Formats: sequence, C-alpha cells, structure tokens
Amino acid sequence: LAKTTQPISMDSYEGQEVNITCSHNNIATNDYITWYQQFPSQGPRFIIQGYKTKVTNEVASLFIPADRKSSTLSLPRVSLSDTAVYYCLVGAGGNNAGNMLTFGGGTRLMVKP
Amino acid sequence: ETGVTQSPTHLIKTRGQQVTLRCSSQSGHNTVSWYQQALGQGPQFIFQYYREEENGRGNFPPRFSGLQFPNYSSELNVNALELDDSALYLCASSLERLAGGIETQYFGPGTRLLVL
Repeated sequence: LAKTTQPISMDSYEGQEVNITCSHNNIATNDYITWYQQFPSQGPRFIIQGYKTKVTNEVASLFIPADRKSSTLSLPRVSLSDTAVYYCLVGAGGNNAGNMLTFGGGTRLMVKP
Repeated sequence: ETGVTQSPTHLIKTRGQQVTLRCSSQSGHNTVSWYQQALGQGPQFIFQYYREEENGRGNFPPRFSGLQFPNYSSELNVNALELDDSALYLCASSLERLAGGIETQYFGPGTRLLVL
C-alpha cells in the first residue's frame, strides 16, 4: 500500500479556498486516491475519490497531476463547519484482502472567523 | 447520517476483561470493516468481513476477533483487554465495487472504550 504524506495542520479563514496537498510517491498503477473528513467524536466521512486529472463534486475538487505522485484537495469558500481532520488515502479497490483503508495522521484544518 | 449504527456508544472495562462491540451496517451493504482509532491518530484497520467471512486483517493480535451475521451486522470481540486497547472503535460498511476504485466506506459514530 502506498504511503501518504500530508501536512499535520493548516489554518484558514472563512470564505477562503483551502488546498491540502498529499504526497504519494509510491502510488501503484491501479491505485485510486480518496479523501475522507472527520469531525471530533464522529466516524470519517467520504469526500471525494479520483484516479487522474480533476474530479469535482458538490463538496470539493481533487486535482491529480499526470505523474499521480501527489494530489490536492480543494475546498472552496470554507466555513467554520469545515474545521475537521482531512485524510488522504491511496489504494486499489476490489473485494479482496487489499481493500482496507489505510489512514495516515491526516491534516487538521482550523477555519477561523 | 450514514445509516451505520454502533452500540454501545461508551464503555468502561478493566484490564483482563472481554468486550463485545456491535455494528449494524447500512441497508444493502455486504461488507463490514472495523477500525481502532487512538486519540489524536488516524483509524487503524483491524479486519474486514465480506458475506460472513473474514476478508482481510490488519496488524492486530488474535485476541481481536469478529463475526458477521447473515443480515450483515457485525460484532468485534476483544479478549484479555489491555490498557492500550482504550480507543474509539469504528465500524464501516460498504458494498463491493466490481469496477475500479475503492468502494466508499460509510462509518458509524464509533464506540469509545476505556480500559482501566
């Protein structure tokens, strides 16, 4: 499983765009990149998943360069309620023994008024 | 709300005791995974059950065991509790994805276990 590296913490202000970058130099050909969000005392929540280029949903955008060795989660116009820990995960799918989620330490985002 | 429920929400045990945690998966999901999350750390994969069979295991000792029932609900059992077992235990359900990509896992709120 590819290891991921992301900043331990980030601060932002309401209304700003936040970009969290994750490094995954050993990503395999069939690996996907997935981001989860976790609020205190809650389970993680799926945000977005991608394989290459750009993926956008109603919550966030995910930018993946051609070499796929990194990815950037972009949160547009954050609010106080976006204060949470954000996890970047890399792995392949399929219902075999390898489809567990491997969480790193995550990035603690603090949004200030 | 993910539709995944866990019980109990909180639990206090003493060292050496045994504990059973329960999880009801989201309707239609046939896969359940269990994670342990220590304070300030990311969740660590314990094991996964797919259609009542263990389908992968993380780096946890055999005293961590599980079950999945025909209705896809699941139990996590921990024997001979140790102080370091104090953590948030998360259950996540998912539906097998036959095409590429990692199936989305839907997490419950967790059970917070304190071992004294």
